[in-house]
Amino acid sequence: EVQLVESGGGLVKPGGSLRLSCAASGFTFSNAWMSWVRQAPGKGLEWVGRIKSKTDGGTIEYAAPVKGRFAISRDDSKTTLYLQMNSLKTEDTAVYYCTTGVNVVAGTSSWGQGTLVTVSS
Amino acid sequence: EIVLTQSPGTLSLSPGERATLSCRASQSVSSNSLAWYHQKPGQAPRLLIYGASSRATGIPDRFSGSGSGTDFTLTISRLEPEDFAVYYCQQYGTSFTFGPGTKVDIK
Repeated sequence: EVQLVESGGGLVKPGGSLRLSCAASGFTFSNAWMSWVRQAPGKGLEWVGRIKSKTDGGTIEYAAPVKGRFAISRDDSKTTLYLQMNSLKTEDTAVYYCTTGVNVVAGTSSWGQGTLVTVSS
Repeated sequence: EIVLTQSPGTLSLSPGERATLSCRASQSVSSNSLAWYHQKPGQAPRLLIYGASSRATGIPDRFSGSGSGTDFTLTISRLEPEDFAVYYCQQYGTSFTFGPGTKVDIK
């Protein structure tokens, strides 16, 4: 069974930093392209960024609102995805989900339960 | 960036009725890489449809997707009580974007 478990959320002041982790199990993590998606309170889903597998080049893409402030990385030996968030703004307040995205071969998409990040003074 | 627009914003229907949700893209979606999710309060999104018309694993056949290019539709043939939720379309052909969502609530 695929499991994605996010951690690391919490309260941080504007301008601060936070690192989120997503522990993965139940699938071959090293082959997976992984994404972060966030959802501000009462709002819709917003894609944050994606990292490809190392065998597919490890390319990382970011959404415009977070480019230059957030960094996605992965540790395949620990089957863990990371999101380093710097220069946080109040508008970054959201539940952050990690997801495998759409697996068109299996017809699935796995998501974690999310971790809440609150940016407030 | 491909912008997705969903309509209507809210759809008020009764159980057993048919629901038709629309998703329009600002430019053609590559390889019909369009997915539909639904989300209930406090839960993560759940994939319903991918590739514009393929049902995800375990999704009942009352859910169907259609469309191509810039216009896509999700149809729920007969609403069950568990279908009342927010529905999002997502394109994953050129980077990724989500639509703003359509809330399907009980009339």
